[in-house]
Amino acid sequence: EPEVTQTPSHQVTQMGQEVILRCVPISNHLYFYWYRQILGQKVEFLVSFYNNEISEKSEIFDDQFSVERPDGSNFTLKIRSTKLEDSAMYFCASSDPGSSYEQYFGPGTRLTVT
Amino acid sequence: AQSVTQLGSHVSVSEGALVLLRCNYSSSVPPYLFWYVQYPNQGLQLLLKYTSAATLVKGINGFEAEFKKSETSFHLTKPSAHMSDAAEYFCAVSDTGGGNKLTFGTGTQLKVEL
Repeated sequence: EPEVTQTPSHQVTQMGQEVILRCVPISNHLYFYWYRQILGQKVEFLVSFYNNEISEKSEIFDDQFSVERPDGSNFTLKIRSTKLEDSAMYFCASSDPGSSYEQYFGPGTRLTVT
Repeated sequence: AQSVTQLGSHVSVSEGALVLLRCNYSSSVPPYLFWYVQYPNQGLQLLLKYTSAATLVKGINGFEAEFKKSETSFHLTKPSAHMSDAAEYFCAVSDTGGGNKLTFGTGTQLKVEL
């Protein structure tokens, strides 16, 4: 069964460093998303991406964040200068055009900022 | 703005007993509603979804949910709990239409006891 994959599973970085979280969505999907879950809190929407551009973003997704689809398979989330409060589990999701309301989630990347 | 409220951050049931996890939503437009399950150290797996068809929705692992517009509810039930059902359950809402973000509730941790 096709699945969304994410790398790395765990990333530790120092405050102020740049990090790139990687995702490989399901191959025929066209909508891509990033969500995050701070420990003990609910899952929060960050950004959605369609047709090579951001379709919606939340207040959390400020200038420190960016997304990119550098090739036909990867979807990345970059945090330019990490803060302690960026420590969270980051989930990538994708959905297909025929069933675009059903999002499939990856296993997540746990980001720890020290 | 859409929102979801999950009553009860922790629910404990005996194996074989009825599972009832509560979800109420707020939406200015007809919503799509979802239940996701998260096992420890894993991503989010879709249990079931309501997309304006039948109001009683059946999902995987014996779970079902009923959309009640008059009560703005979408409670998740399972007639007989199994130890393997122990996990965190998230209710989510999105606008109708493609590619829209999910807004999650705070989650309910289900514990199943012998």
